[in-house]
Amino acid sequence: GAVVSQHPSRVICKSGTSVKIECRSLDFQATTMFWYRQFPKQSLMLMATSNEGSKATYEQGVEKDKFLINHASLTLSTLTVTSAHPEDSSFYICSASGLAGVETQYFGPGTRLLVL
Amino acid sequence: GQQVMQIPQYQHVQEGEDFTTYCNSSTTLSNIQWYKQRPGGHPVFLIQLVKSGEVKKQKRLTFQFGEAKKNSSLHITATQTTDVGTYFCAGLPRGSTLGRLYFGRGTQLTVWP
Repeated sequence: GAVVSQHPSRVICKSGTSVKIECRSLDFQATTMFWYRQFPKQSLMLMATSNEGSKATYEQGVEKDKFLINHASLTLSTLTVTSAHPEDSSFYICSASGLAGVETQYFGPGTRLLVL
Repeated sequence: GQQVMQIPQYQHVQEGEDFTTYCNSSTTLSNIQWYKQRPGGHPVFLIQLVKSGEVKKQKRLTFQFGEAKKNSSLHITATQTTDVGTYFCAGLPRGSTLGRLYFGRGTQLTVWP
């Protein structure tokens, strides 16, 4: 149980294009989903927290107009990197939990984004 | 603000040696969780500690939660090459309503055969 999938696993795009990453909880309802980015050999940096049906809460320094998050259902959240630039190249990982503050976060396999 | 410090950042051991990583939170935690990330992979949940002074074991791994619920440790006995990876602690602050975890920077473990 507690499987989280992420799609795509890898994406290469040209600078200026937008990229959408999907995060799905496959066998449980995720009331809360989290989006992280991770640079090589560094820790996870939380970008935003999203609850189903409400606006995402972004961490300080994360541009909400650049990183659009939608959590339309209890099993799906999407992160769209708009007008991507090379500095947005990173490993993006989502996690999902069932009850905020109670359940463990289960991580998706991550999406490696390379912006040329 | 809330911080979780984790040391050491890197640890290189010979197979068979023990390994310990430590986490310390700036505030009291509701619980602390440990994750392992293999090279090229994503974090995988290992365990959650909730009670003050709690000790849990998973085979060669021993997890401890401090009495004050502000620090924790992970100890691996007799490391094996399969233990290679980065170990992260993640604390949930007491009173958190969003479930936001604060991650330590991780300890990267290398095991020489």
